[in-house]
Formats: sequence, C-alpha cells, structure tokens
Amino acid sequence: GESVGLHLPTLSVQEGDNSIINCAYSNSASDYFIWYKQESGKGPQFIIDIRSNMDKRQGQRVTVLLNKTVKHLSLQIAATQPGDSAVYFCAVLSGYSTLTFGKGTMLLVSP
Amino acid sequence: KAGVTQTPRYLIKTRGQQVTLSCSPISGHRSVSWYQQTPGQGLQFLFEYFSETQRNKGNFPGRFSGRQFSNSRSEMNVSTLELGDSALYLCASSLNRPDGELFFGEGSRLTVL
Repeated sequence: GESVGLHLPTLSVQEGDNSIINCAYSNSASDYFIWYKQESGKGPQFIIDIRSNMDKRQGQRVTVLLNKTVKHLSLQIAATQPGDSAVYFCAVLSGYSTLTFGKGTMLLVSP
Repeated sequence: KAGVTQTPRYLIKTRGQQVTLSCSPISGHRSVSWYQQTPGQGLQFLFEYFSETQRNKGNFPGRFSGRQFSNSRSEMNVSTLELGDSALYLCASSLNRPDGELFFGEGSRLTVL
C-alpha cells in the first residue's frame, strides 16, 4: 500500500515570505499527486495537482515540485498572505485506486 | 453550480446508537467517496461509490457501511457507535475516476458520548 509522510506539522511564516510545505510518499508506482488546503470548519479544497510525468507545475502563486527519485513532493506558496493560513495536505494516488492523504501541515501566517 | 452538500452538519449520539449521514454530490458527478478525519489519524478513506456500486473500500470495520442511489446521492451508516467514531466525516465527489479533482463537502461532525 501507500503511505504518505508528514515532514512538519506546523510552519510559521511572516506575511510576504515564501512558504514551502513538504511531503514524502512510499510507493514508487504512485502516479498522481494533489495538494489540498483546509480552512477551519471547511472541507479540503483542491489547490494544484501533478502527474508523475512532470517535475514541476505552476499555478497562481503556487508551485508543486515532484522528485520521483526520492519520492518527495513540495508545495511552494509565493508571497504568503494571512488568507493562506490553513492546513495543507498532500494526497497520492497509486494506479486506479484511492487517494492516500498525508496528515497535513498547518501553515500559520503572521502579519 | 452547487457544491457537495452534506447533512447533518453536526450531530451528537451516544455509544451503541447508529447514525446515517447523507451526501449530495455536484450535479453530474458519479463518483462519491467518504473519508473520516480525526486529529490523530488525519484523513482516512472509508469507501467510494460509482454508479451505485462500491468500487473501493478502506480498512474500517463492518459497522461502517454506505450506499449510493441512482441520482448519485450517497449515504453512510455507522452502527453500534463507539467513542472513537467521533470525527469529521467528509464526502467528496468527482466526475468519474478517483484521479480527478475531488470536491469535498464541509463534512458532518459526529460526536459520540
């Protein structure tokens, strides 16, 4: 099966800094990766995804990097804002199966 | 378009009771997945339904069950509730395969006393 590891339960940054949230996975056959954001009292919200045939994908202020050699992915948030404060989860899909979620990193942005 | 709707949002039960939670997916979405979220275990997959058939099942005891109706609405049931079943139960829908964007509802928060 798949296991998805958490690197850091909490990350505190200043407004305007760049944030990097990391995730590790165990199954080298994993082929689809997603980052979700969960604000307090809400369900997870899709941020960005990447497939295993890519190393990098960019969205609006967010970038996901995938290193298949070490089975690691990261989410980079540029110019972090207070509204980015939330718990961020990575999720991994291996084959035609189900998503396995990491335990999440709480991002705290101070003004 | 309307998002994923879960009802009820909050409920309190006592040990031994049973509970049924409901999920209405986004219109046109045929896949519905259920997750249990707790502070200690994070998001854990319960089951996934597609066209009224359970397609995948997580590692939960038989007390946890679900079903999907012809209109794609889904229900999950937990029988003989235990204190450890206290959690946020999240429903997510997607168009078809699980490797598409999952749209989550806001969850049903169950407290077992």
